[in-house]
Amino acid sequence: QKEVEQNSGPLSVPEGAIASLNCTYSDRGSQSFFWYRQYSGKSPELIMSIYSNGDKEDGRFTAQLNKASQYVSLLIRDSQPSDSATYLCAVNYESSGDKLTFGTGTRLAVRP
Amino acid sequence: DVKVTQSSRYLVKRTGEKVFLECVQDMDHENMFWYRQDPGLGLRLIYFSYDVKMKEKGDIPEGYSVSREKKERFSLILESASTNQTSMYLCASSLQHGGETQYFGPGTRLLVL
Repeated sequence: QKEVEQNSGPLSVPEGAIASLNCTYSDRGSQSFFWYRQYSGKSPELIMSIYSNGDKEDGRFTAQLNKASQYVSLLIRDSQPSDSATYLCAVNYESSGDKLTFGTGTRLAVRP
Repeated sequence: DVKVTQSSRYLVKRTGEKVFLECVQDMDHENMFWYRQDPGLGLRLIYFSYDVKMKEKGDIPEGYSVSREKKERFSLILESASTNQTSMYLCASSLQHGGETQYFGPGTRLLVL
């Protein structure tokens, strides 16, 4: 069973702090990794995708991938109350074709 | 921008009714997906389509069927709605190149009474 594990949270951080969200996956044969943000009652929206080891930065967001340790993380710098949402990690396993396996999400709460 | 639309945001149906949920995407994506999302269970794949008239069962296909007669349109059918099918239903689409980003529609919140 291919799995994606996330701590459900809530992760509570003060405004302006760095929020660190983590995700582990179960199969080394994984190619693509995604972070989605989902506000309550809304659908997931893509924040970042990452395909190779290392860091990828986009504005206040940095995705980090370590394939040897099978984890992917998302850092949010200068966290804002508007960042309060559930963050979903998704992994494309090589054997799954075009399907993604989603974690259950980490709820982030940014305190003003 | 990719746009995925779903026919209804909210739907209330009675047990035993036949329910149609429709999804349309405007980016010529080959792949389309139907998920349901329930608290604590995350996103679960119901059905996947990789081409017109082609479909593949996901993790929880029981009680559902799908139809894809045109590339841009993917329908989810609940043949006889039951209360345990009350959920948020999400449609997504993606290109067909192995592990491409999936883009989601706004979702349909279905309540079966």
